[in-house]
Amino acid sequence: KQEVTQIPAALSVPEGENLVLNCSFTDSAIYNLQWFRQDPGKGLTSLLLIQSSQREQTSGRLNASLDKSSGRSTLYIAASQPGDSATYLCAVKGFNKFYFGSGTKLNVKP
Amino acid sequence: EPEVTQTPSHQVTQMGQEVILRCVPISNHLYFYWYRQILGQKVEFLVSFYNNEISEKSEIFDDQFSVERPDGSNFTLKIRSTKLEDSAMYFCASSEVQGPGGPQHFGDGTRLSIL
Repeated sequence: KQEVTQIPAALSVPEGENLVLNCSFTDSAIYNLQWFRQDPGKGLTSLLLIQSSQREQTSGRLNASLDKSSGRSTLYIAASQPGDSATYLCAVKGFNKFYFGSGTKLNVKP
Repeated sequence: EPEVTQTPSHQVTQMGQEVILRCVPISNHLYFYWYRQILGQKVEFLVSFYNNEISEKSEIFDDQFSVERPDGSNFTLKIRSTKLEDSAMYFCASSEVQGPGGPQHFGDGTRLSIL
């Protein structure tokens, strides 16, 4: 069964720092990997989707990489802002469903 | 941009009662999903649905649960005889294709509280 792990569980950084969130998964037979943002008590906002054949995707200050063979993905956030404070979830897609990690709770201090 | 909508945003129900959670997927999507997130835990897959049939379900999705697409736009999750441990956020998602390809689009969720 696919297991998805995210490290660290929580991260607190001063505004302006660049940071990296990590995601690992046990079964490399995935179709794609998606990073989501979740604000407290809210739904899931899709940030980036990386297909299994891709190595990275970029959107604004966000860059996600995927190394399928080693079962790893990273989400890089450049020049962090207080508005980036949220929980970031990594999810890998099997044929018909997503497997989610527990998330990294990010706090960006002004 | 089209989005998945879920109603109600918060549902409070007495233990033992039946509850129906409603979702309107994106109009041209063919694959529908329900997930749940118990407070402080991971988002967990419940069920996927295509062509008026369940495609896959998890071990969580037992006889207490059922899904239905009663018309061309709605997708519902029914929970019979609710239990305290059913309290969670329930997310609906839809996708245009399954397998490789496009992402799943998630709604904002329904917070279900069982008293």
